[in-house]
Amino acid sequence: DTAVSQTPKYLVTQMGNDKSIKCEQNLGHDTMYWYKQDSKKFLKIMFSYNNKELIINETVPNRFSPKSPDKAHLNLHINSLELGDSAVYFCASSIAGRAGNTIYFGEGSWLTVV
Amino acid sequence: AQTVTQSQPEMSVQEAETVTLSCTYDTSESDYYLFWYKQPPSRQMILVIRQEAYKQQNATENRFSVNFQKAAKSFSLKISDSQLGDAAMYFCAYSSTRSSNTGKLIFGQGTTLQVKP
Repeated sequence: DTAVSQTPKYLVTQMGNDKSIKCEQNLGHDTMYWYKQDSKKFLKIMFSYNNKELIINETVPNRFSPKSPDKAHLNLHINSLELGDSAVYFCASSIAGRAGNTIYFGEGSWLTVV
Repeated sequence: AQTVTQSQPEMSVQEAETVTLSCTYDTSESDYYLFWYKQPPSRQMILVIRQEAYKQQNATENRFSVNFQKAAKSFSLKISDSQLGDAAMYFCAYSSTRSSNTGKLIFGQGTTLQVKP
């Protein structure tokens, strides 16, 4: 069973479109994240949610809107896609309360904007 | 703000040999965690090893060990008896213990490790 699953794994779309990436974790964790890996493989956190509450928002353009319907799900909606949004988006989860807790990553969603 | 630097974009090692990947970081905090993550071609991020800053003993996980030098802010990863399956991109990461930043990993640029048969 996949611990952190993301859909879709691959997405090719045109500039200006709106798209969503869904994430679900079955680990019983209470904190979920979105990380972005750009074309140079640099990884950076975008958002984190704890029990559906936004905890970290790393000055991401407001075209990106995360939504957490419950603590097992964290979706990412992107409006008016731009070429620079092309990246791999990783969902992740962990148990809050201790900084050293293992963060489990999904397999990534590869978004290409043309 | 904390930063993590991996100065070796690429490294190569012969199968069964030992290789060390370098990582330095900058922080004003005294308590934090450091991690090494592996990213194979499948893109899955896999935790290799973690180190708590207040622990002086270097972490070890089977063939993987770290050399943690807190004063020098250095955190290198040693892979012993390298195997073909170790070929991947390796990321060094930092995590603050401040509650507002819990779970926020700050990554280095990554080092691509090639293992030669």
